[in-house]
Amino acid sequence: GNSVTQMEGPVTLSEEAFLTINCTYTATGYPSLFWYVQYPGEGLQLLLKATKADDKGSNKGFEATYRKETTSFHLEKGSVQVSDSAVYFCARPWGTSYGKLTFGQGTILTVHP
Amino acid sequence: EPEVTQTPSHQVTQMGQEVILRCVPISNHLYFYWYRQILGQKVEFLVSFYNNEISEKSEIFDDQFSVERPDGSNFTLKIRSTKLEDSAMYFCASKVWVSQETQYFGPGTRLLVL
Repeated sequence: GNSVTQMEGPVTLSEEAFLTINCTYTATGYPSLFWYVQYPGEGLQLLLKATKADDKGSNKGFEATYRKETTSFHLEKGSVQVSDSAVYFCARPWGTSYGKLTFGQGTILTVHP
Repeated sequence: EPEVTQTPSHQVTQMGQEVILRCVPISNHLYFYWYRQILGQKVEFLVSFYNNEISEKSEIFDDQFSVERPDGSNFTLKIRSTKLEDSAMYFCASKVWVSQETQYFGPGTRLLVL
């Protein structure tokens, strides 16, 4: 089916560490892919997106490359900050043209000073 | 920058009561959505709405749920008789047109059913 899978379990890092959060998708065709972020007590914010294979989305130092060979869209940041502590969701549209989103399980990131 | 707004931010209700969650989508957007997130779980699609009618709904969206766009700006989700398992964060989202895939989310309403 059309789904999105994120790495299980929370991630805890020290400030300035390198971050990778894995996301893989199953789909027919090549959907757009998104990363949304949810800061504590807030709603979902679009962090970045990629609309076709080999595209790289980037924002606020985060990057993710749409790789069709591995059906992946892993989120990376070279040097995390305490303010990056949040829940990160990988997502893709599916179904009819009305474009409902399906989300991964979410990954809790905690960054310590 | 325009944004989606939702009210109230928190709502506590007794089981069996009706609740109405309100959303104001971005003004030039045409497609509207409700999602929910039960605590600790993933965000789930509930319903999409276009041209004043439901375009798609999930199996979660049963007869207890309804949506309405009562005027040119508001988009509401009504739960007719709340159940304990309706406790969740409810997100409204909107997008401009069919070929634009990016949805913009509101801050959410946290509903607690006692």
